[in-house]
Amino acid sequence: DAKTTQPPSMDCAEGRAANLPCNHSTISGNEYVYWYRQIHSQGPQYIIHGLKNNETNEMASLIITEDRKSSTLILPHATLRDTAVYYCIVRPFDFGNEKLTFGTGTRLTIIP
Amino acid sequence: GAGVSQSPSNKVTEKGKDVELRCDPISGHTALYWYRQSLGQGLEFLIYFQGNSAPDKSGLPSDRFSAERTGGSVSTLTIQRTQQEDSAVYLCASSLSRGATEAFFGQGTRLTVV
Repeated sequence: DAKTTQPPSMDCAEGRAANLPCNHSTISGNEYVYWYRQIHSQGPQYIIHGLKNNETNEMASLIITEDRKSSTLILPHATLRDTAVYYCIVRPFDFGNEKLTFGTGTRLTIIP
Repeated sequence: GAGVSQSPSNKVTEKGKDVELRCDPISGHTALYWYRQSLGQGLEFLIYFQGNSAPDKSGLPSDRFSAERTGGSVSTLTIQRTQQEDSAVYLCASSLSRGATEAFFGQGTRLTVV
């Protein structure tokens, strides 16, 4: 059972920041927030993950609220290649219970 | 190869036949996952292998589905007596170790049951 809620679709203008929200109000203390994306006809690709602090890498930034019940993935300067389905996943960090459970994701379309 | 390799890339089979799908994970990766994705749908977890531990089979939809991982490396997903509803893309992923950051996905096997 997916433990996250995401809007089904979003549009963003090319060159602008894309902000993708995710609600995970039932997250537990031993669960991380992961983001993956799936470009058409490809396997999912890891983007970023975090526990409670904000994180940034070369692809994106992850902002997690203080109560950890929601987060936002930020693509700072969206390009057409960022058009994809973005999955927010809550993943336990328990031995033997680390499977990734995908929800339906957000279909992000970058508009030229 | 550098990534997760799956074969075949496409498979068309007749209803009632058995099929085997193969996954070659990244060398040294101890964790291996199988997912399936029906047309226009999200990824459905099937099974998870971690080292020598008993696999998590909680996602297998019926007893027609089984998977094994030999020698902690290559994995085979077998579907017996295929049905039309089994048509989907079957994706394999591997990661370096338990709790590792990133799972790397293959390109998938597109299975069509006619």
